[in-house]
Amino acid sequence: GAVVSQHPSWVICKSGTSVKIECRSLDFQATTMFWYRQFPKQSLMLMATSNEGSKATYEQGVEKDKFLINHASLTLSTLTVTSAHPEDSSFYICSAAGTPYEQYFGPGTRLTVT
Amino acid sequence: GNSVTQMEGPVTLSEEAFLTINCTYTATGYPSLFWYVQYPGEGLQLLLKATKADDKGSNKGFEATYRKETTSFHLEKGSVQVSDSAVYFCALSLISNNNDMRFGAGTRLTVKP
Repeated sequence: GAVVSQHPSWVICKSGTSVKIECRSLDFQATTMFWYRQFPKQSLMLMATSNEGSKATYEQGVEKDKFLINHASLTLSTLTVTSAHPEDSSFYICSAAGTPYEQYFGPGTRLTVT
Repeated sequence: GNSVTQMEGPVTLSEEAFLTINCTYTATGYPSLFWYVQYPGEGLQLLLKATKADDKGSNKGFEATYRKETTSFHLEKGSVQVSDSAVYFCALSLISNNNDMRFGAGTRLTVKP
């Protein structure tokens, strides 16, 4: 089946630094990738949608200058949290869509900003 | 807008009990409906799906039927096991909206031996 990986699986960084999270579709080409954020014991909130070679579309309230998304190829999207602060600590999950109706989710990346 | 409302937990059951987690949706078009399961510290795994009205999705003993007349997609299992303890998310996706997926709040299920 379709497999999506994320790297790193967890990261701890200091306040003010930037962190990059990778999302890869391992065995299919993903025309669209999605980035979600999940706070403890809460649901997933869509942050942005990215199509290969295009600028990402951000959801209302998501700062595009803080959460930089790059979708340079059909198998790789990256999310960079710039100048991270403790309130950015969260579980970030990506998904990739290569076929209609279904997204394949990565295992998630836990970010802790100290 | 498009949204999903699901029964909030937590839900605690004894092993072999019957499970129902309610899910209703609001959508402007014809969505596909999904149930995902999330085990502690992990990402989401697709449990089952249905793409049109009256379809029944099933997997690992779980079932859900796409009911257009009641805009519902309730999750059921006849006999739960301890290993079913997890958080369950109902979700919808509209291909007309770039596969944008909307999730319910999640229902935490704990099954006790």
